[in-house]
Amino acid sequence: SYEVTQPFSVSVALGQTARITCGGNKIGSKNVHWYQQKPGQAPVMIIYRDSSRPSGIPERFSGSNSGDTATLTISRAQAGDEADYYCQVWDSKTYVVFGGGTKLTVL
Amino acid sequence: EVQLVESGGGLVQPGGSLRLSCAASGFTFTTYSINWVRQAPGKGLEWVSYISSSTTTIYYADFVKGRFTISRDNAKNSVYLQMNSLRDEDTAVYYCARVPVYCGGDCHDYWGQGTLVTVSS
Repeated sequence: SYEVTQPFSVSVALGQTARITCGGNKIGSKNVHWYQQKPGQAPVMIIYRDSSRPSGIPERFSGSNSGDTATLTISRAQAGDEADYYCQVWDSKTYVVFGGGTKLTVL
Repeated sequence: EVQLVESGGGLVQPGGSLRLSCAASGFTFTTYSINWVRQAPGKGLEWVSYISSSTTTIYYADFVKGRFTISRDNAKNSVYLQMNSLRDEDTAVYYCARVPVYCGGDCHDYWGQGTLVTVSS
C-alpha cells in the first residue's frame, strides 16, 4: 500500500517561513493536496494539485512537488496559521491516502 | 452556499450498528463524488469510503470492508454510511467531503462539520 510521511511537528518564528514536507515513493508523479485543520474544526483545503490555491486562500500558502517529496510553504507565518496540516494523494490501489499530519507551532 | 451536514452519530455498543447521513445543498449534487473520512480522538485523518456521482464506483478502506456500506440517494441529495459490527477502534468523528473534478477527481474542497461515533460498552 502507498504511504506518505510527514514530520510530527514544525516550529516557525512569527513572520518567518515554514516548510512542511510530505514524503512518498515517486510522489512527484502524483497530485498532492494539502489541508489545514484547526482544533475543533473540519479540515480546509489550502492547496490542490501540488501548487494551486483555492479561492480565498492567501498567497502566503504555496506548494511544490518533485521526486519523493512534496512541500507546503507558509510565508510570513502568522499566529493564526497554527494548526495541523495534512497532505493527501490518490493511489490506484490504496485510493485516498492522508499523511499523518504535522502540527505547526508559531513562536 | 455549499453545505454538507452529517448526522446519525452517537454512542453504540461494540458489535452494534449505526447509519450516518450526509445531506448536501448549494450545488449540483448529482455531479460530485463523495468520500467519508474519519478522525479518531487526537489522531489524524483516515479515509473510509468513496462513492462516485452515479454510484457506479465504490471503494472501501480495508479496515471497513464487509462491515460498512456506502450508498447515495441523488433524489434526496444525500450520502449514507451504514456501519455494522462496530468496534472500539471505529470511535471517531466522521466527515463527508465533496470531491470536485477540477483537482483530478481526488481532492476534497468542502467538508461537513462531522458527526461523532463512540463505540463503547
